[in-house]
Amino acid sequence: KNEVEQSPQNLTAQEGEFITINCSYSVGISALHWLQQHPGGGIVSLFMLSSGKKKHGRLIATINIQEKHSSLHITASHPRDSAVYICALNFGNEKLTFGTGTRLTIIP
Amino acid sequence: DGGITQSPKYLFRKEGQNVTLSCEQNLNHDAMYWYRQDPGQGLRLIYYSQIVNDFQKGDIAEGYSVSREKKESFPLTVTSAQKNPTAFYLCASSIMRGSHNEQFFGPGTRLTVL
Repeated sequence: KNEVEQSPQNLTAQEGEFITINCSYSVGISALHWLQQHPGGGIVSLFMLSSGKKKHGRLIATINIQEKHSSLHITASHPRDSAVYICALNFGNEKLTFGTGTRLTIIP
Repeated sequence: DGGITQSPKYLFRKEGQNVTLSCEQNLNHDAMYWYRQDPGQGLRLIYYSQIVNDFQKGDIAEGYSVSREKKESFPLTVTSAQKNPTAFYLCASSIMRGSHNEQFFGPGTRLTVL
């Protein structure tokens, strides 16, 4: 049973396009994280949110607690945004449950 | 600069040998974690430690061992009992913000067993 589902699995877009990556989950959570993994493998935390919306530069993350759904948006996408984006769930303790990731490729 | 270091970045071992992966953090975080990442799968928790001299098994602890003798260090040993050890290993540390666990990740070690 997958507690967290991401879509799409793979996404290829042209530079400048608006990108949306989705994350759905099946049980109540205390927080949802969006992470970015570059080809070298290191992971960077982009957002941690429990309600509403957060924005950082060209990145926007939203969450709808009632619908158990979160989206990560990238405006004016750039080739350097190419990475794997991972959704992770926090249930109020020390553990995270991770999605399988969305591989984003931005073509110049 | 505060952060998490893992060494080495790439590691090759012969089948049947134990190997220890290093993880060090200078963020003064109490909790540390080891994850394994395989193609097409989400990160899976191997072991975690909330405090020095204490650690708990994660979802896939068989064939692995850890120690937490110092707050800064959480080495992972991949033993010969691990059936499929070739994978990407990520270490993380965390700070609790209210009821939310914000984790910070190291750069990872790619282990290949020949």
